Amino acid sequence: KQEVTQIPAALSVPEGENLVLNCSFTDSAIYNLQWFRQDPGKGLTSLLLIQSSQREQTSGRLNASLDKSSGRSTLYIAASQPGDSATYLCAVPQGGSEKLVFGKGTKLTVNP
Amino acid sequence: AAGVIQSPRHLIKEKRETATLKCYPIPRHDTVYWYQQGPGQDPQFLISFYEKMQSDKGSIPDRFSAQQFSDYHSELNMSSLELGDSALYFCASSPGQTLYEQYFGPGTRLTVT
Repeated sequence: KQEVTQIPAALSVPEGENLVLNCSFTDSAIYNLQWFRQDPGKGLTSLLLIQSSQREQTSGRLNASLDKSSGRSTLYIAASQPGDSATYLCAVPQGGSEKLVFGKGTKLTVNP
Repeated sequence: AAGVIQSPRHLIKEKRETATLKCYPIPRHDTVYWYQQGPGQDPQFLISFYEKMQSDKGSIPDRFSAQQFSDYHSELNMSSLELGDSALYFCASSPGQTLYEQYFGPGTRLTVT
C-alpha cells in the first residue's frame, strides 16, 4: 500500500527566503507525482505534475524534482512571499491505479 | 480557462438525511474522481469514473453511491448521513486515466448536525 510522508509538517520562514519541502513515498512504481497548494478551508490547486520519466519540473518560482528510485520528491520555492503561505501537499497514484494518495502536507508560513 | 465546478459549495444536513453533491468536469475531460477530506486530514479517495463507468473504488461507505452521466457530470449521493460524514468533498477531473494531471474543484463543505 502506498504511503506518503511529508517533512516538515510545518515551516515558518521570513519573506525572501528560499525553502525546500520534502515528500517521500513507499512504492516507487508510480506514473507521476503531483504537488498541490491548499489555503485554509479551500480547494486544492495543482502546482506541478512530474511524470515518472522526468526528473524536474518548473513553474515560475517553483521547482519540483523527482527521484523515483529512492521514492523522494522535493518542492523548491525561491524568494518566498507572504502570499505563498498555505499547506503544500504531494500526492502519488496508488499501485498503478489512478487514485491519488496524499501526504499530510507541510503548512508553510512566510512572515513579512 | 474553465475549471471543475461543484455544487452546492456548502450544505448543511441533519443526521439520517440524504445529500446529493454534483460535479461538472472540465470540458473534454472524461474521468471524474471523488475525494473526502475530513477536518485536519489529508484527502481520501472515494470513487472514480471513466467514460461513465466506475473505474476504481476506495474507502467509500455503502451508504454512498455515485454515477457519471452521459454529459460526463457526476453526482455523489449520500444517505443516512452521520456526524462523521462532515467533511470537504472534492471532485477532480482529467482528460484520461492514470497518466494525467487531476484538476480539483473548489469542494463542497458538508456539515451534518
